[in-house]
Amino acid sequence: EIVLTQSPGTLSLSPGERATLSCRASQSVSSSYLAWYQQKPGQAPRLLIYGASTRATGIPDRFSGSGSGTDFTLTISRLEPEDFAVYYCQQYGGSPGTFGQGTKVEIK
Amino acid sequence: EVQLEQSGAEVKKPGEPLRISCKGSGYSFTSYWIAWVRQMPGKGLEWMGLIYPGNSDTKYSPSLQGQVSISADKSVRTVYLQWSSLKASDTAMYYCARPTYSNTWGGFEIWGQGTMVIVSS
Repeated sequence: EIVLTQSPGTLSLSPGERATLSCRASQSVSSSYLAWYQQKPGQAPRLLIYGASTRATGIPDRFSGSGSGTDFTLTISRLEPEDFAVYYCQQYGGSPGTFGQGTKVEIK
Repeated sequence: EVQLEQSGAEVKKPGEPLRISCKGSGYSFTSYWIAWVRQMPGKGLEWMGLIYPGNSDTKYSPSLQGQVSISADKSVRTVYLQWSSLKASDTAMYYCARPTYSNTWGGFEIWGQGTMVIVSS
């Protein structure tokens, strides 16, 4: 089973700042099958990025994903008020398709 | 519109059986994997398993294998998550989710609204 470790656990930033979230895998993720999700309280997760770097439908271009192998990054170029939420990475190159433990992006 | 519609919240006692459902609409139901994702109160997302309704091929998380059962009924476009004997630790929100592409197991673009399961004596 591939273990995903996200860092930091919490990121305290102000609107307009840049957010950089990390996701490290315990072994190489096949074919860059790495996704990022955003979840707000009381809501289902929303897909942001799949295939490590492809934005999902309707996702603003301030969200970008990069990385390969075992190291992946989600970058939010300029935080908007609606971006404060919890973010999860997920690998789906094999079974089980594990999630990271999440990074909370909170308002500073 | 592509949608996954889940069954309503459940309150059960330990030891009781339960089946919750997830109905797909607006797409080729038999061509996409459907996953179940657990979220315990205040915790993160946990991949439980998934099923391919076209042939009922099923994968389970090793930590949950034997604890739950995933099945599908193509005739009613519905996937199920079932317990034979609930425990208090099964208390959680359960989501079903569908990938963006038909040949992948993740990148879940479509999510159900969630089914809250509370197990308490």
